[in-house]
Amino acid sequence: GEEVAQTPKHLVRGEGQKAKLYCAPIKGHSYVFWYQQVLKNEFKFLISFQNENVFDETGMPKERFSAKCLPNSPCSLEIQATKLEDSAVYFCASSPSTGYSNQPQHFGDGTRLSIL
Amino acid sequence: ILNVEQSPQSLHVQEGDSTNFTCSFPSSNFYALHWYRWETAKSPEALFVMTLNGDEKKKGRISATLNTKEGYSYLYIKGSQPEDSATYLCAFKGGSQGNLIFGKGTKLSVKP
Repeated sequence: GEEVAQTPKHLVRGEGQKAKLYCAPIKGHSYVFWYQQVLKNEFKFLISFQNENVFDETGMPKERFSAKCLPNSPCSLEIQATKLEDSAVYFCASSPSTGYSNQPQHFGDGTRLSIL
Repeated sequence: ILNVEQSPQSLHVQEGDSTNFTCSFPSSNFYALHWYRWETAKSPEALFVMTLNGDEKKKGRISATLNTKEGYSYLYIKGSQPEDSATYLCAFKGGSQGNLIFGKGTKLSVKP
């Protein structure tokens, strides 16, 4: 598609439950990025993919967080055993394969995760 | 720890006013500086990607300048309109393989 599509728009989970978020990048874009935005704070980089391969995971918490980008499927970000501090808006972005470094990133609308 | 600072945090102007705000970033290992416009509950929209010291870019009434030696970029909006109300985010990229490091944004409100 022509837009980055994130689902669901809003996800509510009880503390300790699992949360799974999805992102379909723009067709033809090879790079996918995940960001976490806690209320009024900056977008924090989590992980990036080049096609189905992890490109950079330096921002991913060591525990509970995992992500995948499999061929012919939306990318996913999964949080196990959620905690209250995981409440945030999670943004996905994609960029084209060529000129990666100087291309803007195209963002989705975000998924608002609320942990109760 | 690399810090990207944006000021002011928020700004209220009247329709027709021109305004500007600042993004400060590390002056070492600079690769690119991104500006995005973000309305809450929508996706951030790319405005500019700036790479060269002294760069000036323009998109309609919005323009931006870049000083990589001193580590700052200015975003200017000429003749603000209510539809310009949004949060303006800048993001620093250090190195060709570096990730984007975002500032907290400047929230602009334009009153009719």
